[in-house]
Order: sequence, then C-alpha cells, then structure tokens
Amino acid sequence: GAVVSQHPSWVICKSGTSVKIECRSLDFQATTMFWYRQFPKQSLMLMATSNEGSKATYEQGVEKDKFLINHASLTLSTLTVTSAHPEDSSFYICSARGAGQGWSGEQYFGPGTRLTVT
Amino acid sequence: KNEVEQSPQNLTAQEGEFITINCSYSVGISALHWLQQHPGGGIVSLFMLSSGKKKHGRLIATINIQEKHSSLHITASHPRDSAVYICAVTTGNQFYFGTGTSLTVIP
Repeated sequence: GAVVSQHPSWVICKSGTSVKIECRSLDFQATTMFWYRQFPKQSLMLMATSNEGSKATYEQGVEKDKFLINHASLTLSTLTVTSAHPEDSSFYICSARGAGQGWSGEQYFGPGTRLTVT
Repeated sequence: KNEVEQSPQNLTAQEGEFITINCSYSVGISALHWLQQHPGGGIVSLFMLSSGKKKHGRLIATINIQEKHSSLHITASHPRDSAVYICAVTTGNQFYFGTGTSLTVIP
C-alpha cells in the first residue's frame, strides 16, 4: 500500500521557538494532505486540509498564523508550529490522498510526530 | 452530541476470541473508515467502505447505510491486535471521528 512518512517522529522544543514537521508521500502523488492533532486519550481532530499549490483550509478554531501549512509539492507538506507553547504539546498526524480521489477517497496516514514544548 | 459514537470504549478479550466493535453515526455519509492506532501512535487505515461488507485476513467490516451503523469484527483475535480502533466518516466535505475503542487481547 501507499506509504506516508513524517519527520521528525518526536521533538522537544523550548517555549517560544518554532518547529517544522514534514509529511511526505513516498510512492504516490498526494494532491491533498490533511493535518490532525490528537491529545492524550482523545480522538483525532482535523486541523487543516491542504491542496498542492494552494492555501490550506483551516478548521474552525485553528489559528492559521500559528500553524503554518505549506504544500509546495505533490509529495511534501509541512506544518510549522510558530512560537510554540506548552499547550501546543500534542501528537500531530498527517494523511495524504492521491490525485483524482474525492472526499470518499482512501487516506494514507503518517506515523505521527510527538511534540513536547517545555 | 457526537456525530460518531463507538462502543465499547474499552474491550479486553482472550486470545482466540471473536471481537466486535460497533460504530453508529448520525450524518449522511459518503464513506466510512476503520482505522487502527498502535500504542506508539501510528495509524493504519484498515477499511474504507460505503456499502456492504469487506474482508481482509481476520478482519471484517460491515456497514448498514439505512441504520447508519457499521461493525468491525476480528476473528481469532491475537495479542498483536491490541490497539485503538477508530471509526471515521466523511460527509463530502467534513470528517467526523469516533473516540475510539481500546482493545487489549490477552494471551
């Protein structure tokens, strides 16, 4: 099946710094990528949807200036958490959907990135 | 009220048992997904279905569109099946996730 990777798998940063998380589709072209966050013992929460070459669409309540998403190519999307604070500590997961797939299309999930802000 | 409800929330089974996890939803959907999240956090998409039944190995997923209900069955359960199973639905422009069912299979 299709493979999606994330880097880094975990990161610890100091409060006030910025952290970039990469999401790559390794063997297919992902026209759409999704970013989720997950707090302990809670389900996934969709943060934003990004389409290659266009601005991301953010879910209600997600600060677009704090969570910068760039989908610059068909195989790479990045999420940058700017001026991170301890409350941003969470598990961030991306998923990718191939070209020609509608909203019912198969999504392939990355392994996730655990962010801890101290 | 959650658009997607799963039951049970937690489930412990003996190795070899037949397991059923249920998912009910309240919105019109274009597809339903069953996801498996391992203890380390990684997520695997198990099934995507919009009607009927799908089978992959020991896993079977069914959906009843009229009743807005889906079930995930695991036959001959094994300790490596221990994970959180998440039901998710898409409506065409929105995703809704269940809170997950935590499964522990004891040897």
